[in-house]
Amino acid sequence: EPEVTQTPSHQVTQMGQEVILRCVPISNHLYFYWYRQILGQKVEFLVSFYNNEISEKSEIFDDQFSVERPDGSNFTLKIRSTKLEDSAMYFCASSEGQGGTDTQYFGPGTRLTVL
Amino acid sequence: GEDVEQSLFLSVREGDSSVINCTYTDSSSTYLYWYKQEPGAGLQLLTYIFSNMDMKQDQRLTVLLNKKDKHLSLRIADTQTGDSAIYFCAFTGGGNKLTFGTGTQLKVEL
Repeated sequence: EPEVTQTPSHQVTQMGQEVILRCVPISNHLYFYWYRQILGQKVEFLVSFYNNEISEKSEIFDDQFSVERPDGSNFTLKIRSTKLEDSAMYFCASSEGQGGTDTQYFGPGTRLTVL
Repeated sequence: GEDVEQSLFLSVREGDSSVINCTYTDSSSTYLYWYKQEPGAGLQLLTYIFSNMDMKQDQRLTVLLNKKDKHLSLRIADTQTGDSAIYFCAFTGGGNKLTFGTGTQLKVEL
């Protein structure tokens, strides 16, 4: 069964450093998403991406964040200058289309720890 | 903004039914979902219900939607130890953004 994969599973970085989190969505999917979950808190939407551009973003997704689909398979989330409060689990998701019945399939997540 | 609340913990005995509840404030919810998160894993879609439905049954899972009270519930029949996980309700109002509840940790005891 096709699945969303994410690398690395755990990333430790120093405050102020740049990090890139990588995702490989399901191959025939067209819509891509990033969510995050701070420890003990709810899962929060960050951004959705379609046709090589951002279709929606939350207020969390400020200028420090960017997304890119550098080739036909990868979807990345870059945090330019990490802060302590960026420590969280980051989930990538993809869906075939949009609308409620187009299930978003989630990857296993990358745990980001900012020291 | 949207607010989706769930109770934090639920403990049941193996073989009993579990009922996980969710209340929400956004009345424009079109689809409402239940996701399961096992330790160290991603979010797995369990089931969903369209907002014009009251109930949906899928094997051991029954979803009930009370739109008037903005209340969604997930009933798991014959709960097994493998059902131990965190359960999130979520919805889309429009577009693709999923708004998640706070999550309910289900513990199944022998």
